[in-house]
Amino acid sequence: GEDVEQSLFLSVREGDSSVINCTYTDSSSTYLYWYKQEPGAGLQLLTYIFSNMDMKQDQRLTVLLNKKDKHLSLRIADTQTGDSAIYFCAEIGSSNTGKLIFGQGTTLQVKP
Amino acid sequence: NAGVTQTPKFQVLKTGQSMTLQCAQDMNHNSMYWYRQDPGMGLRLIYYSASEGTTDKGEVPNGYNVSRLNKREFSLRLESAAPSQTSVYFCASSDRMNTEAFFGQGTRLTVV
Repeated sequence: GEDVEQSLFLSVREGDSSVINCTYTDSSSTYLYWYKQEPGAGLQLLTYIFSNMDMKQDQRLTVLLNKKDKHLSLRIADTQTGDSAIYFCAEIGSSNTGKLIFGQGTTLQVKP
Repeated sequence: NAGVTQTPKFQVLKTGQSMTLQCAQDMNHNSMYWYRQDPGMGLRLIYYSASEGTTDKGEVPNGYNVSRLNKREFSLRLESAAPSQTSVYFCASSDRMNTEAFFGQGTRLTVV
């Protein structure tokens, strides 16, 4: 079945780079997403990548996709305290209904 | 720009009580979703509605019912609340398949 896995916690120092990893099982996924959730808030789309791409860069964010290994990563350059949040990886399920399959979420802690 | 609006934001129920969570979107989206978020488990899909007039079960539908009242509104009903339904509930909408989903701010429900 469809499954998305993430590590639960990452701690970095302000100014360092953060790399959040994700693995997924559905090889037919067309889009893969990264969402950010700040405390007490809903989810906000950060970026996404189409499955025929290897990399996508958007300002401080870099998404890498390895389709062979079904591995997705999000790199945040020059991490700031405002980046502290939970980051969710998600894929579109193969049933093509638009429903997202989420990972458990990675809590990013940025220390000053 | 309201986006996706959920009510209420907080609710405490006694076991066996019923209630309806309301969701409305003003983006003319076709698809709407209800997710629940539990610690360490990411977001799990309860029900979704791919278009007005249709609803389908997601990953964890037991104990819930939904109504797609019109294109704007998608409600989630708990007929007889149980402590296992203590969670944060998110409504989301998207324009069509494989596009960005927009999330509401969430409803924090506690069943005692």
